[in-house]
Amino acid sequence: QQQVKQSPQSLIVQKGGISIINCAYENTAFDYFPWYQQFPGKGPALLIAIRPDVSEKKEGRFTISFNKSAKQFSLHIMDSQPGDSATYFCAASNTDKLIFGTGTRLQVFP
Amino acid sequence: DSGVTQTPKHLITATGQRVTLRCSPRSGDLSVYWYQQSLDQGLQFLIQYYNGEERAKGNILERFSAQQFPDLHSELNLSSLELGDSALYFCASSVAGDPYNEQFFGPGTRLTVL
Repeated sequence: QQQVKQSPQSLIVQKGGISIINCAYENTAFDYFPWYQQFPGKGPALLIAIRPDVSEKKEGRFTISFNKSAKQFSLHIMDSQPGDSATYFCAASNTDKLIFGTGTRLQVFP
Repeated sequence: DSGVTQTPKHLITATGQRVTLRCSPRSGDLSVYWYQQSLDQGLQFLIQYYNGEERAKGNILERFSAQQFPDLHSELNLSSLELGDSALYFCASSVAGDPYNEQFFGPGTRLTVL
């Protein structure tokens, strides 16, 4: 019940396309859902986060869509750029700790 | 640069040995988190310290231990090392003790157990 399932494992998108990464959770006590971005050789860095009281949050080209009833949330990257090539981790938490998904390796080709 | 420092950057050791990984949090951050990242497991939360006290525990093996010192730096001790302990170990820090605050990750320590 503490797991966060993330898909796909890897994603190849052409420049200008939309990248979509999906996550699902079981624990209804989770109330904070961040996405972290990790470039090769670096530590993860917070990209965007959402609370379950809203269904969508947008920051620039990055949007989180949240479906509380389905216990799913997703990251959409609009107009994907080669510089977006990285590994993306979804995560979920309540008051205790962050549980990370297994990551999605995104490659954006020019 | 996140402001979190980790040493060493790389560590190569043999099975059965013991190593210590060190982390200095961002200035002003009271919480330190330790994560293990392996290829097939993603980011696994190990343990969290807040202002010197253990606050949350994850999938940390009994062979592993950690502490946070009065100057807020933290050390992760790994003993009786096994091949499967080879991984990237990340330290992260945040201002407060709850997980709702942004965690700032260090560059990681790559541990190779031969």
